[in-house]
Amino acid sequence: QVQLQESGPGLVKPSETLSLTCTVSGGSISSYYWSWIRQPAGKGLEWIGRIYTSGSTIYNPSLKSRVTMSVDTSKNQFSLKLSSVTAADTAVYYCARGSHDSSGYYRVDYWGQGTLVTVSS
Amino acid sequence: DIQMTQSPSSLSASVGDRVTITCRASQGISNYLAWFQQKPGKAPKSLIYAASSLQSGVPSKFSGSGSGTDFTLTISGLQPEDFATYYCQQSNSYPYTFGQGTKLEIK
Repeated sequence: QVQLQESGPGLVKPSETLSLTCTVSGGSISSYYWSWIRQPAGKGLEWIGRIYTSGSTIYNPSLKSRVTMSVDTSKNQFSLKLSSVTAADTAVYYCARGSHDSSGYYRVDYWGQGTLVTVSS
Repeated sequence: DIQMTQSPSSLSASVGDRVTITCRASQGISNYLAWFQQKPGKAPKSLIYAASSLQSGVPSKFSGSGSGTDFTLTISGLQPEDFATYYCQQSNSYPYTFGQGTKLEIK
């Protein structure tokens, strides 16, 4: 059974960099798309971006100038860095796995449990 | 960005009911549409992708339809565990975008 687990500091100071890691267990990290999604308290879901195991990335333009994603296949992990954070970046951050089915349709099948990151001094 | 609009924003129904949630895209997205279920304090769960394909392990009481700009999620025979918030998401073009969610509550 594939499991994803987010980890990282739960509290980040304004203007600093938020850093999260998602560890994949029960399956290989190879040949999948790995996404980050966030959700402020009481609000909807926002797609941050995704990285393929080759290292190819696509970021949400609304965050692109501040986002960096990376993947470490040797550790079965991928990471998110979000710089110059403000209170507006306070949210639960989820990692998720995506792939294309035999017909080429994209699907997300596994999610991490989420981790709350609070931006506050 | 493609805007996704769900209706209604909230919905009250009884156990055993059949309900339908609508998702409309601001431009055509073919059938690159997924549905997710989220319960309070939990991660979203993937239900449907490609507008009508059920994710593995998802019961057939959930069904999706639509293409282009208009999509629906139908849940038959509501059970207590189905009361949750449902989100649609388009994967036709980046950035992938979600609807604002539909909260399904027990009447």
